[in-house]
Amino acid sequence: IAGITQAPTSQILAAGRRMTLRCTQDMRHNAMYWYRQDLGLGLRLIHYSNTAGTTGKGEVPDGYSVSRANTDDFPLTLASAVPSQTSVYFCASSPGLAGGNEQFFGPGTRLTVL
Amino acid sequence: GQNIDQPTEMTATEGAIVQINCTYQTSGFNGLFWYQQHAGEAPTFLSYNVLDGLEEKGRFSSFLSRSKGYSYLLLKELQMKDSASYLCAVREGDYKLSFGAGTTVTVRA
Repeated sequence: IAGITQAPTSQILAAGRRMTLRCTQDMRHNAMYWYRQDLGLGLRLIHYSNTAGTTGKGEVPDGYSVSRANTDDFPLTLASAVPSQTSVYFCASSPGLAGGNEQFFGPGTRLTVL
Repeated sequence: GQNIDQPTEMTATEGAIVQINCTYQTSGFNGLFWYQQHAGEAPTFLSYNVLDGLEEKGRFSSFLSRSKGYSYLLLKELQMKDSASYLCAVREGDYKLSFGAGTTVTVRA
């Protein structure tokens, strides 16, 4: 059982380039999330999806877009990368929205924008 | 929005007890989570509190006081492997999980 996988593990990207971070879960979880983690700031929510076909904006959505065509996949796209998007990106999922549903995190993608 | 505060760093000796405090300000409180994150790894779930009181799970316990906007994570019988960052997270509404900056705990022999 893989849980949540993310690709790539790390990436160095030139500013202005387009980049898609991939996230796949095999737990049939309804909800999925994208966070970025920066030193001293903790995890910040970028976008989320309650269920397949729906998405919503989190705390820091600017410069990022997501899609949720099916239950398993939740890609995050940077249309034109900027150096301030250098960060560690974590994808997470949870069974649903209500109750004590914990979020399960993927291993992360370390992105450097030069 | 959220305002979640926790200490930046704590150091303790192997076998000791450490208490990590978390204070928060929010509307629509719907649960508080604690996660553990080792350096270079993903966060992993430790505990969840939605009602006032203490939740115990082995060497780890978590406490919540909703009226005071306060929680703590208690780590007992510290082991070297407990050296990690501990993240306090508050859920507001159905889905939104807001994280504190994390507390780095260093366990010394």
